[in-house]
Amino acid sequence: AQTVTQSQPEMSVQEAETVTLSCTYDTSESDYYLFWYKQPPSRQMILVIRQEAYKQQNATENRFSVNFQKAAKSFSLKISDSQLGDAAMYFCAYRRSGNTGKLIFGQGTTLQVKP
Amino acid sequence: DVKVTQSSRYLVKRTGEKVFLECVQDMDHENMFWYRQDPGLGLRLIYFSYDVKMKEKGDIPEGYSVSREKKERFSLILESASTNQTSMYLCASKTSDLGQRIGNTIYFGEGSWLTVV
Repeated sequence: AQTVTQSQPEMSVQEAETVTLSCTYDTSESDYYLFWYKQPPSRQMILVIRQEAYKQQNATENRFSVNFQKAAKSFSLKISDSQLGDAAMYFCAYRRSGNTGKLIFGQGTTLQVKP
Repeated sequence: DVKVTQSSRYLVKRTGEKVFLECVQDMDHENMFWYRQDPGLGLRLIYFSYDVKMKEKGDIPEGYSVSREKKERFSLILESASTNQTSMYLCASKTSDLGQRIGNTIYFGEGSWLTVV
């Protein structure tokens, strides 16, 4: 069975600095997708960034980038120039390709941004 | 603008009551999901549906059932609510993967807080 592990329950970063959130996963599949979601206090889940496993290039979205290490099954999120609005809970998620692929989440990391 | 709507944001129910949580999406998505979110456990999949009248159990289906009679609506049913079902429930939807390589974006509703007393 696939699993996703986020080993950092809480992280903090100073405004304008860089922080990295860790995620590891376990799967025997070769074709899958990885995601980072942000959940602010409003509880709405917001897609931050997505990585297709068949792509070697790391995904980037403005201040957000990932370090995808397929052999190590690691998928970390780097937030550059952190802003107060980045404070939220962040979830790493995995889904195998295919119509019935379930989206499996990690435990979440709460990010605090200090002014 | 894409939208997944959960009709009830906050509910308080008594032990043993039958509870319906409704979710509607306006994006013509084939796939719909129900998760529950608990502190320290992340989101756990209860059920998902990959098409109308099609459903599959997720990781924690016990005590729950679902209904998908129309494409846009996916209902979660607690036949006899218990206190350990107090949680936040999230509905989500996405298009089918068939014929596509891209991992489609999954859209979430705002969540339904259920308290069982």
